[in-house]
Amino acid sequence: QKEVEQNSGPLSVPEGAIASLNCTYSDRGSQSFFWYRQYSGKSPELIMFIYSNGDKEDGRFTAQLNKASQYVSLLIRDSQPSDSATYLCAVYNAGNNRKLIWGLGTSLAVNP
Amino acid sequence: GAVVSQHPSWVICKSGTSVKIECRSLDFQATTMFWYRQFPKQSLMLMATSNEGSKATYEQGVEKDKFLINHASLTLSTLTVTSAHPEDSSFYICSARSGAAPLHFGNGTRLTVT
Repeated sequence: QKEVEQNSGPLSVPEGAIASLNCTYSDRGSQSFFWYRQYSGKSPELIMFIYSNGDKEDGRFTAQLNKASQYVSLLIRDSQPSDSATYLCAVYNAGNNRKLIWGLGTSLAVNP
Repeated sequence: GAVVSQHPSWVICKSGTSVKIECRSLDFQATTMFWYRQFPKQSLMLMATSNEGSKATYEQGVEKDKFLINHASLTLSTLTVTSAHPEDSSFYICSARSGAAPLHFGNGTRLTVT
């Protein structure tokens, strides 16, 4: 069974620190990797996506992908209280009926 | 870009009635739409995958006669909860994608069945 695993947390970091969120996946054929943020009672919002090994930066967010080790991470620099949310990792393999495989999410709390 | 509009944002209905939820991709053609359900403090649960012009593919345990999905065009999919019961009360979220592009979500519909 194809799986995506995340530490459920909560991960607690002080304001201004770097938050590091990790995700591992079992399907070696996975091609695309996504990070979504979900605030309580709201729908998920796309934060980052990455297709190739290495780092991809967008503002305070950096996604890191290592296909050999089958993990993808999300770094949030200069964490703000407004970053407090659940972060969902999702993995896509075109051969998997076009479905995303979701992790259960990591709860992040940024303390002022 | 990549805006997905979902309507209504919340609905209250009586047990036994049916509720229709609409999902529209406003600025792109959605080859695939997905319907999710989420109970409080739980993860997203995929209900069905819908490709334009074809029948939806339901996940195991999801009753296709109860949750009717129609994907009549590249910009519109609907989910109808038929004969709703209180246990159907949940947060229903649609999402849409064009090809292998990232998935974008609607704002969700909070359904309460009394």
